[in-house]
Amino acid sequence: AQSVTQLGSHVSVSEGALVLLRCNYSSSVPPYLFWYVQYPNQGLQLLLKYTTGATLVKGINGFEAEFKKSETSFHLTKPSAHMSDAAEYFCAVSGYSGGGADGLTFGKGTHLIIQP
Amino acid sequence: GAGVSQSPSNKVTEKGKDVELRCDPISGHTALYWYRQSLGQGLEFLIYFQGNSAPDKSGLPSDRFSAERTGGSVSTLTIQRTQQEDSAVYLCASSLNPQETQYFGPGTRLLVL
Repeated sequence: AQSVTQLGSHVSVSEGALVLLRCNYSSSVPPYLFWYVQYPNQGLQLLLKYTTGATLVKGINGFEAEFKKSETSFHLTKPSAHMSDAAEYFCAVSGYSGGGADGLTFGKGTHLIIQP
Repeated sequence: GAGVSQSPSNKVTEKGKDVELRCDPISGHTALYWYRQSLGQGLEFLIYFQGNSAPDKSGLPSDRFSAERTGGSVSTLTIQRTQQEDSAVYLCASSLNPQETQYFGPGTRLLVL
């Protein structure tokens, strides 16, 4: 069984400030971890994913995330927020590198608000 | 290239009616997924197809829901006798195979009155 907890349904940061979105997971098998972004009235777009190897993963739009097995965490960060980063962010876990037959298990999402 | 497309983009129906939601995956993608996104439940995985086969249908919310895929391409999610709790955004995703990244369509927003 797998689950994802995203702390904070809404996070507000000032433009230019650090973005930190928290994700903790539970998995009975070695996890594959994903961050997706959803803009209004659009589907989900993959930001980055952890499969194996390097625990610091770099993604698109300047985002990165670090897999910490001891903390069962996969927090998403970006050094400097931009207005265009305002969106809904979802963390997901799977026992397979692409989701596999069980699909992806998503967290509830975090709405990122960027203050000018 | 073309991404995953879904139709209709919006659907309003009356309680008790049947609806069909369509997904056109990226060409060549063998794996196809359906998810439901609702305010109360968040994003839920519904069903997975490898080719035309769905090995496990237990994720479908009730026996009013069914899905099929033909020709290893287009998939249809059918909801019979719709209920108000079926109101949600239904998302489709496809991937080259189950080990590869899923690419999502824009979704079908279903409203049951």
